[in-house]
Order: sequence, then C-alpha cells, then structure tokens
Amino acid sequence: GEDVEQSLFLSVREGDSSVINCTYTDSSSTYLYWYKQEPGAGLQLLTYIFSNMDMKQDQRLTVLLNKKDKHLSLRIADTQTGDSAIYFCAESLSGNTGKLIFGQGTTLQVKP
Amino acid sequence: GAVVSQHPSRVICKSGTSVKIECRSLDFQATTMFWYRQFPKKSLMLMATSNEGSKATYEQGVEKDKFLINHASLTLSTLTVTSAHPEDSSFYICSRSTGNYGYTFGSGTRLTVV
Repeated sequence: GEDVEQSLFLSVREGDSSVINCTYTDSSSTYLYWYKQEPGAGLQLLTYIFSNMDMKQDQRLTVLLNKKDKHLSLRIADTQTGDSAIYFCAESLSGNTGKLIFGQGTTLQVKP
Repeated sequence: GAVVSQHPSRVICKSGTSVKIECRSLDFQATTMFWYRQFPKKSLMLMATSNEGSKATYEQGVEKDKFLINHASLTLSTLTVTSAHPEDSSFYICSRSTGNYGYTFGSGTRLTVV
C-alpha cells in the first residue's frame, strides 16, 4: 500500500546544513513534495520534484530523489532559526487525483 | 501566489453541536478542493475530495454523515462536523490544486470539542 516514512526529529546548529530524509513505497508516484508547517499554521509548499528528476535546487534548498531506493531528501543550507518547523514530505500518485500521501513530519529544531 | 483562506482558525464547541468550516479559493476558481485532518504529532490524512456542484468523494473510513461537505460555488467549500464529539477534536486543513503540479493549503482550523 501507500506509505511515506520520515524520521521524527532533527536538531542542528544555526549555520549548519540540515538534511531531512523520507522514504516512500509507491513506485507510481508522479510528484514528490516538501511542505513546511509552522506551529498552529497551515502548510507552505517549499518545493517539489517530478519523479523522473534526480535533483532540484532552489536557493538554500536541494532536493535529491533516488527513485530506485524510493528515497527523497531535503537539504537546507545555512539553516536559520526561522527554519524551525515541521517538514512534511508527500507524494502524489499517478492520475493526479489530488490525493497526497504525507509522511509523519520531521520536527526541525535549530539552535542558535 | 495561490491563496486559500480558511475560517475559523480556532473553534471550541460543546459535544453534540455542529461546526462549519469554510475554505475559500481567493485567486481563482476551484472545481475541486480537498479536506485533510491532522492528528497531534501525526501526518495529514485526506478525508474527502470536494467537487463543485456534485457529491464529495470520501476516503475509506470517513463517515459521510458525520463530515458533511458542500461545494456550492467555484470559490467556496465547507466542511460541517455534525454532532461533534471530543474525538473529533483535531486540526482540519483544506487545499486546492495550484494547477501547476502543486497544492496550496489553507491555514487550518483547530477544532476542540468539550
């Protein structure tokens, strides 16, 4: 079945790089997303990658996709305290039905 | 960018009452919107797909009579939690496709049933 797994917690120091990992099971994923959720707020789309891409870079964010291993990662360079939030990876399945399968979310704590 | 407005942001209601949550697409029309539920420290689960002018499509295990969805216009979808119970307390979030392979989410509604 469809399943997306993430580690639950990551703590880094300000200025370091953060790497948040995600694995998924459904090989028919078309797009994979990274969303950011700040306390009590909705989800903000950070970036997405099409399933036939290996890498996508957008300013401080780098997404790596290993389709063979069904592994997705988000690297945040020069992590700032404002990056502290919960990060969700999500996959959309073929057919673009609008259904996103979310991971449990990784809480990123950035220490000054 | 795409804007989805959700209201109210927080609501506290008594057991047995009903609560309506609104989700508005402010920048362009949306024939389809999505309702998610997020449990504390858990992932988001899709509850239903709201279709303008027709019945909503519910995910397996979601009670249609409990969570009433109405999508009467191209800019507004509503979720009504009927006869609410404490176990319905949760964070409810709506979303809409951006039309560019992404989805924009509302700010969410924190429902507390006492």
